[in-house]
Amino acid sequence: AQSVTQLDSHVSVSEGTPVLLRCNYSSSYSPSLFWYVQHPNKGLQLLLKYTSAATLVKGINGFEAEFKKSETSFHLTKPSAHMSDAAEYFCVVSVTTNDMRFGAGTRLTVKP
Amino acid sequence: EAGVAQSPRYKIIEKRQSVAFWCNPISGHATLYWYQQILGQGPKLLIQFQNNGVVDDSQLPKDRFSAERLKGVDSTLKIQPAKLEDSAVYLCASSPRDRVSYNEQFFGPGTRLTVL
Repeated sequence: AQSVTQLDSHVSVSEGTPVLLRCNYSSSYSPSLFWYVQHPNKGLQLLLKYTSAATLVKGINGFEAEFKKSETSFHLTKPSAHMSDAAEYFCVVSVTTNDMRFGAGTRLTVKP
Repeated sequence: EAGVAQSPRYKIIEKRQSVAFWCNPISGHATLYWYQQILGQGPKLLIQFQNNGVVDDSQLPKDRFSAERLKGVDSTLKIQPAKLEDSAVYLCASSPRDRVSYNEQFFGPGTRLTVL
């Protein structure tokens, strides 16, 4: 079985400063890992995914994440936050298509 | 490419009433999922279809929830009778491949259900 823990329920940053959203995972097999973003009243949008290729994954809107097997982590980062980045972010672990486990989410607030 | 469509976007009902949600996946996607997202939590899978067959419904409360995908395209999720704890956003997602190893999902905007 697999699970994911998002270490912060809420992160607040100032516009133009770096973003770090933390995610730890647990999996008995080699997992696929995803980050999704959910803007208010919008569907979940895939930011990036790791599927056993390069450990540093680049996604949309300047986000990237690094898979660290030794630390069982898949933290999401962005060098400079934009007001439009304010949203809910979900880390997801999956071994098979019908077993995607979502974290509880991290709400990102961006202050002007 | 059109995305996953869901309707209605919002629904308010009283407890013990019934409700149905509709989902039209991305054209050609073989796999369809229904998730329940309770406020403050991540989505939880309710049921997965591959074409018109059920792959996984282990998390579906079958005493009150039902779902079908008769022609392998669009799908309906029904709750009868609804309880207060069913208040949530119901998300539909689809996936383009039918191999279990391919696991990117595309999500619709969701239906927000409020049970009074």
